[in-house]
Order: sequence, then C-alpha cells, then structure tokens
Amino acid sequence: SAVISQKPSRDICQRGTSLTIQCQVDSQVTMMFWYRQQPGQSLTLIATANQGSEATYESGFVIDKFPISRPNLTFSTLTVSNMSPEDSSIYLCSVEIDYGYTFGSGTRLTVV
Amino acid sequence: AQTVTQSQPEMSVQEAETVTLSCTYDTSESDYYLFWYKQPPSRQMILVIRQEAYKQQNATENRFSVNFQKAAKSFSLKISDSQLGDAAMYFCALSGSARQLTFGSGTQLTVLP
Repeated sequence: SAVISQKPSRDICQRGTSLTIQCQVDSQVTMMFWYRQQPGQSLTLIATANQGSEATYESGFVIDKFPISRPNLTFSTLTVSNMSPEDSSIYLCSVEIDYGYTFGSGTRLTVV
Repeated sequence: AQTVTQSQPEMSVQEAETVTLSCTYDTSESDYYLFWYKQPPSRQMILVIRQEAYKQQNATENRFSVNFQKAAKSFSLKISDSQLGDAAMYFCALSGSARQLTFGSGTQLTVLP
C-alpha cells in the first residue's frame, strides 16, 4: 500500500488568511481525495483530485474556497482560503489503489 | 447517492469481552466495497477490515470479523477479546464505482479495564 506524507500536521492561523496543505505519496496513484473532519464529526469528502484534470468538488465545497492542485501522480495540495473560525477542522488526504485506501496523518487547523 | 448509517454514537465493552458495532448502508450499485476504519486520538485512519460485496463469506482479521448481510444492507463489526488498545472512534464506510469513500457518523468505543 502507498505511504502518504502530509504537511503541516497542525497550524493556528489568523482569520482571513490562507493555508496550503501538502500530500506527497511514495508511489504514483490516479485517485486522490481530500476530506474535512469537523470537531467530533465524521469525514466529509471535499473533492476528488485526478492528475491532468480539474478537481471535482462535492456539494457545499467550491473551488474559490478550496483550490486544489494535482501537478503529478505523487503530489497534491489543498488550500483553505480566506479562513474563518468555521474552517477549524482536521483535513485529510487519501489515495485509492484497487479499493485499498491510504490516508495521510491529517492537518489539524485552528482559525483564530 | 450512497449513504452509511451508524446508529450507536457510543459503545463500551469490558476488556476481554466481545462487542458488536452496527452499520447499515444504502447504494444502488451491485458491486461495492465496505470498510471499517479505526481512528484513535492520533487521528490516523487505520483500516480494520474490508469486505467485497460480491463475496458471500464474511471477512475476518484476527480478533475482528464482520457480519455482512447484503440483502439487509447491514455490515456489523465484531471485536472479540477486546483490548485497551481497541479504544477509538470506528467508522463504517462504503465505496462504489466512483471510488469515493462515504463514511458513517462513527461509533466511539470505550474499553473498560
């Protein structure tokens, strides 16, 4: 299975600023996903990021707020833009290979 | 659309005893995969067990086993000989042709010494 390095592991940010989260995978993968986990809640899919195409966003998530880059098959970034306290969550990336899913260790974001 | 429902927000079990976590799901697809993930306070998502819908045999992984009832769309997780290290949030999840995981709301498992 793939191994994912996700950075940063945590950050405290001022409202109105942006944070970019990175995920580096140790092998080439087609399907990459970004999830949000609000405090005490389950994981909610933000978007699917496939290399060479625009990310596909789920209902309630928009590209202006959560721009995603996928420059190659081993790397992706998620930016949380113009942050507000409501964006305080854990953000996780995940990759899929033959219905086997690996997750990054998550980024705990606190917006003050 | 696919949905996953976990009706037990919290469960507790005595160390060495057995506990069963419930999960129901809904999907219009005939081929799909079901999962149980464990999330300890470290927030790392750890795969506990995976079930392929076309396989009638229930998946097992050491102390963890599932009861997969396809017609009833039920997928429960049984943990035998519970250990303190089993304490975590457990999520049931479903994946279909779009390869996206849909998660249930989770069950917080406490293991009592």
